[in-house]
Amino acid sequence: GQNIDQPTEMTATEGAIVQINCTYQTSGFNGLFWYQQHAGEAPTFLSYNVLDGLEEKGRFSSFLSRSKGYSYLLLKELQMKDSASYLCAVRDGGGDMRFGAGTRLTVKP
Amino acid sequence: SAVISQKPSRDICQRGTSLTIQCQVDSQVTMMFWYRQQPGQSLTLIATANQGSEATYESGFVIDKFPISRPNLTFSTLTVSNMSPEDSSIYLCSAPSGQNTGELFFGEGSRLTVL
Repeated sequence: GQNIDQPTEMTATEGAIVQINCTYQTSGFNGLFWYQQHAGEAPTFLSYNVLDGLEEKGRFSSFLSRSKGYSYLLLKELQMKDSASYLCAVRDGGGDMRFGAGTRLTVKP
Repeated sequence: SAVISQKPSRDICQRGTSLTIQCQVDSQVTMMFWYRQQPGQSLTLIATANQGSEATYESGFVIDKFPISRPNLTFSTLTVSNMSPEDSSIYLCSAPSGQNTGELFFGEGSRLTVL
């Protein structure tokens, strides 16, 4: 079967750094994606990894290890507006995007 | 980036009725995807809508319950048939960005409540 696992909830303080982990087992691998979803809104694309290593995009970075089936999303200098759900997704061998259950991040003052 | 419009944005439906959700993309795309997001949960792929051929359904979803049309490269519909309260959910249409990364863009979603 296919599994994409990530923590259900996390809490962090404004200005801090938070790391959201994701492990996956899928039928084939064609890239790992992170999406942000604010309550009541559609998901929006944050980052993409297809090779091992770190991809940095402003305050957000994403890491991938294909051999370990592992990724993380790193958010720096947290702001209140970063409170949202963060969805880990894998494009499988068939080209379909499979989503984890999402991690609900709460940023506190 | 693609702009995807869905309608209705929300609806309240009676048990046993059917509702069709429309999805319009502002550019031509080969594949469109329909997802369901139940309250507090993540996205589950219902089916892939292919232009010129029948939709490809995921395990647990069947054409009789969720018929899909894809008449051209910018438009698709999803019908939720013979609805029950368990079908209360957000239904999201999506399409690839067209970039090499192939990330998905999503419509605003259609929130259905079945009484």
